[in-house]
Amino acid sequence: DTAVSQTPKYLVTQMGNDKSIKCEQNLGHDTMYWYKQDSKKFLKIMFSYNNKELIINETVPNRFSPKSPDKAHLNLHINSLELGDSAVYFCASSQPPGQGYTEAFFGQGTRLTVV
Amino acid sequence: KQEVTQIPAALSVPEGENLVLNCSFTDSAIYNLQWFRQDPGKGLTSLLLIQSSQREQTSGRLNASLDKSSGRSTLYIAASQPGDSATYLCAVPFFTGNQFYFGTGTSLTVIP
Repeated sequence: DTAVSQTPKYLVTQMGNDKSIKCEQNLGHDTMYWYKQDSKKFLKIMFSYNNKELIINETVPNRFSPKSPDKAHLNLHINSLELGDSAVYFCASSQPPGQGYTEAFFGQGTRLTVV
Repeated sequence: KQEVTQIPAALSVPEGENLVLNCSFTDSAIYNLQWFRQDPGKGLTSLLLIQSSQREQTSGRLNASLDKSSGRSTLYIAASQPGDSATYLCAVPFFTGNQFYFGTGTSLTVIP
């Protein structure tokens, strides 16, 4: 029973297209995240959602838009895809950081390739 | 802002060696620190979570320590095996910014 699941696992698309990545968690967590992992394997936060409310947006282009229909789901929609968007995108969930014991659970990642 | 660094960036050891991976963070106001493993092309697998009230946490051949006052954590791997080859990441949850800050990672290769 997967705790954090994201789909699709692989996504190959042409420049200029619009695509979405879906994420669901069944852990009852209040906070969900999207991270981007670059070619050097560094993980950088893109968005954080706490009870469906956007908490941070770390200088991400507005072509990227997170959408959370409920606290178990956080989808990532990307408009007008560019070559530089090629990366691995990870969804994660946890209880809100800073409220004591906080363990993060990650999805398996979505490898996006823009051609 | 929290900054997390890991040393060394890469490590290659013969099978059977004991090894230590290091993680440093700049702001000691943390509740816990988490170690992850990432295999090539795969997601992140949680290895150990060590709370700020703990000094050590163990799971099998892995032992993680945490020294908040000095801003450091170490991951000790005993009797390394080729299957331990992966990238190891440490992460700290931080209230400011509502996120987990990740280290730069250590790429470990264990040679049979």
